[in-house]
Amino acid sequence: SQQGEEDPQALSIQEGENATMNCSYKTSINNLQWYRQNSGRGLVHLILIRSNEREKHSGRLRVTLDTSKKSSSLLITASRAADTASYFCATPPYGGSQGNLIFGKGTKLSVKP
Amino acid sequence: GAGVSQTPSNKVTEKGKYVELRCDPISGHTALYWYRQSLGQGPEFLIYFQGTGAADDSGLPNDRFFAVRPEGSVSTLKIQRTERGDSAVYLCASSLPGGGGYTFGSGTRLTVV
Repeated sequence: SQQGEEDPQALSIQEGENATMNCSYKTSINNLQWYRQNSGRGLVHLILIRSNEREKHSGRLRVTLDTSKKSSSLLITASRAADTASYFCATPPYGGSQGNLIFGKGTKLSVKP
Repeated sequence: GAGVSQTPSNKVTEKGKYVELRCDPISGHTALYWYRQSLGQGPEFLIYFQGTGAADDSGLPNDRFFAVRPEGSVSTLKIQRTERGDSAVYLCASSLPGGGGYTFGSGTRLTVV
């Protein structure tokens, strides 16, 4: 079953623009993670935000977490063609196995040069 | 090794055959995870190892699927009597104890014909 649901399903922007992707989840969480996937193969861990954090930055990435709304957003600033990929949010179930990281269906981002 | 290695990268097999997929995690990562991803979907949890033992195998779809990690490093996912519905990309990931971000391999694309 899906825990996180990303929105939008697909996003197309021009190079240099900002891209915002949203994730909603259903149950309480300890942390929320964002991953990037190129060409349907291996995923790359981008950032982890803990439930007691509200905002986190890493380079051109900014992640926010609103536990009252059970939602998170990923902002990529000054996008580049190389940012074209699918982006997934993922959460371990609260109190559950740390291995059972549950992924959403992802947002497919296309950055046009 | 420097990353998580999965072999083979592609596997085509006939319906009813047995297959083995191999994962070589990052040295020192005691936690190892198997996921399965179908086209257009997010990764779906299969099984999680902590050391040699399966800490959570609740994601294995049925008894045709089995995974081992006899020495706490390399893991093998075994699928008996393959069916066309088993076709997917099988992803392996590893992490340090305590969770945090996962490092994924590039996956094995399994096609059952």
